[in-house]
Amino acid sequence: GQQLNQSPQSMFIQEGEDVSMNCTSSSIFNTWLWYKQEPGEGPVLLIALYKAGELTSNGRLTAQFGITRKDSFLNISASIPSDVGIYFCAGQSLGETSGSRLTFGEGTQLTVNP
Amino acid sequence: DGGITQSPKYLFRKEGQNVTLSCEQNLNHDAMYWYRQDPGQGLRLIYYSQIVNDFQKGDIAEGYSVSREKKESFPLTVTSAQKNPTAFYLCASSILRGGTDTQYFGPGTRLTVL
Repeated sequence: GQQLNQSPQSMFIQEGEDVSMNCTSSSIFNTWLWYKQEPGEGPVLLIALYKAGELTSNGRLTAQFGITRKDSFLNISASIPSDVGIYFCAGQSLGETSGSRLTFGEGTQLTVNP
Repeated sequence: DGGITQSPKYLFRKEGQNVTLSCEQNLNHDAMYWYRQDPGQGLRLIYYSQIVNDFQKGDIAEGYSVSREKKESFPLTVTSAQKNPTAFYLCASSILRGGTDTQYFGPGTRLTVL
């Protein structure tokens, strides 16, 4: 099956620092999604990317769809305590039909120290 | 408000009992999904459905069953055949459009089998 590697697994940072995390795939994706999950809650969609090279921002968050279609990164600028949570990437492979499965990364646990 | 609802939030059952988890969406989405999440891990797909009265197995379907009698509802039954049912269960839905699959999640149900 497909593999999606997300790194780092965890990050401990000080409030105000910038954060970067990324995902790489063994196969080509035509969609990349980034989610945030807080304890005991469902993942919330942060950013969706649909075209290679696409760079999209959502407030302090910026994500890019890699040119090779096999990677994506998420940056958080000027982190604040409420950024704490688990961030997941997810991708849909080229050739998969709509409504088929996504491949999820293992998640990056972010801790922000005030 | 439009969204995905899962009930109950917490569920306790005795070993050997079947239990059904509810998932309802009023987003008019075509596809619906069930995922299982274990502590510190990513999401694993149990079942998904692209259309009413049709569904497909995901990666870990053994011990689970689903139905899709209505577009807005996709209940999941955890049967006594599931060897390790204690987990956090997430329902998601997506609209089928243009070959992409952007999934939105419900708040989750935490199932504990005693």
